[in-house]
Amino acid sequence: GAGVSQSPRYKVTKRGQDVALRCDPISGHVSLYWYRQALGQGPEFLTYFNYEAQQDKSGLPNDRFSAERPEGSISTLTIQRTEQRDSAMYRCASSLALLETQYFGPGTRLLVL
Amino acid sequence: AQKVTQAQTEISVVEKEDVTLDCVYETRDTTYYLFWYKQPPSGELVFLIRRNSFDEQNEISGRYSWNFQKSTSSFNFTITASQVVDSAVYFCALSEARNVNYGQNFVFGPGTRLSVLP
Repeated sequence: GAGVSQSPRYKVTKRGQDVALRCDPISGHVSLYWYRQALGQGPEFLTYFNYEAQQDKSGLPNDRFSAERPEGSISTLTIQRTEQRDSAMYRCASSLALLETQYFGPGTRLLVL
Repeated sequence: AQKVTQAQTEISVVEKEDVTLDCVYETRDTTYYLFWYKQPPSGELVFLIRRNSFDEQNEISGRYSWNFQKSTSSFNFTITASQVVDSAVYFCALSEARNVNYGQNFVFGPGTRLSVLP
């Protein structure tokens, strides 16, 4: 595709439900990153993949958050037992390789009621 | 630890004025990369520029210019003859080469909200 795509664009869920956020990176991009952006702040790193390998997940807030990229392309960020504090914009980015420019998707705005 | 500071939280200018957005970074590495991204009201993050630590040449792209000074650890962004469409939040970001195995090598500053008034 022409750019990074994410789905859904908006997600409203009730506290305690699980949600899965999808990211489809730019074709050929090896590295894929997940960020969370609170209103009025810069993106905050969550985790990243090189091909299918999750290289660093130190930014994940707790064990309710997980991510996978089984075939080295599409990635899913899953939040289990959502809480209101999980409400934020979740952004995905991809790059040709590490340290290369990251191109961001439109984000998924998550609202936990 | 790496850190990016954008001291200006909000700036307002009148159209056609020049405006400079400041970015100061901290790193212990000699090889690193600096970025600027624009986030317009629509919300997407748009890449503007990438600079490596070995290239201190200033860059100009249309009305945009960037001043990289290693001596002061700054990578400032100037918009000349600002326009209403320049209104956005601008983020400066830093990536360290030695942290290449860790995703946290990409750190964003808090952003500067620029409002260009007609």
